[in-house]
Amino acid sequence: DVKVTQSSRYLVKRTGEKVFLECVQDMDHENMFWYRQDPGLGLRLIYFSYDVKMKEKGDIPEGYSVSREKKERFSLILESASTNQTSMYLCASSGLAGVKDTQYFGPGTRLTVL
Amino acid sequence: AQTVTQSQPEMSVQEAETVTLSCTYDTSESDYYLFWYKQPPSRQMILVIRQEAYKQQNATENRFSVNFQKAAKSFSLKISDSQLGDAAMYFCAYFAADSNYQLIWGAGTKLIIKP
Repeated sequence: DVKVTQSSRYLVKRTGEKVFLECVQDMDHENMFWYRQDPGLGLRLIYFSYDVKMKEKGDIPEGYSVSREKKERFSLILESASTNQTSMYLCASSGLAGVKDTQYFGPGTRLTVL
Repeated sequence: AQTVTQSQPEMSVQEAETVTLSCTYDTSESDYYLFWYKQPPSRQMILVIRQEAYKQQNATENRFSVNFQKAAKSFSLKISDSQLGDAAMYFCAYFAADSNYQLIWGAGTKLIIKP
């Protein structure tokens, strides 16, 4: 079974703090994704990575950056957290077929920025 | 921009009955992929079913089946013999070359199962 884990289920941070969300997958997947999930908006892609050290912007990259130093790990960074970044963050991974392949999701991190 | 519309924010169904969740999408592509994902409360999102547009036959996975109407750009999910464990948010998603190689997601439908 594919396992995608995220470093925290719940996180509370203050405005202006630097926030790191980590995601690890154990299936040697090439592709990894960070989504933001808000009620009524579905999932919106923040960034994705198709290989180590490679990254591509999604629909809403502003205020976020990512890092992929190892194949199994994909980190999302909020350089200076703001209250409008309060949300559920989902990490996913998929294999060689890319986006049309099944995406396997982590349990999510619910981030609250005060 | 490509869009995926789930017009039912919430649906409810009696246990053991059948329910259909609707999804429509906008595209000019002829080759694309459609997905239904399920997100149970406090649990991970999982793939329910996938349909490739060039395949005529509707996809089926056990109690889950789709009604894929390509001309109408409609992709509904039918759940037969609903079970309490089917309670979840269901998301429809679309992928094609015109989606910038990203999944485009609907807003989701919350499915409530009444015992």
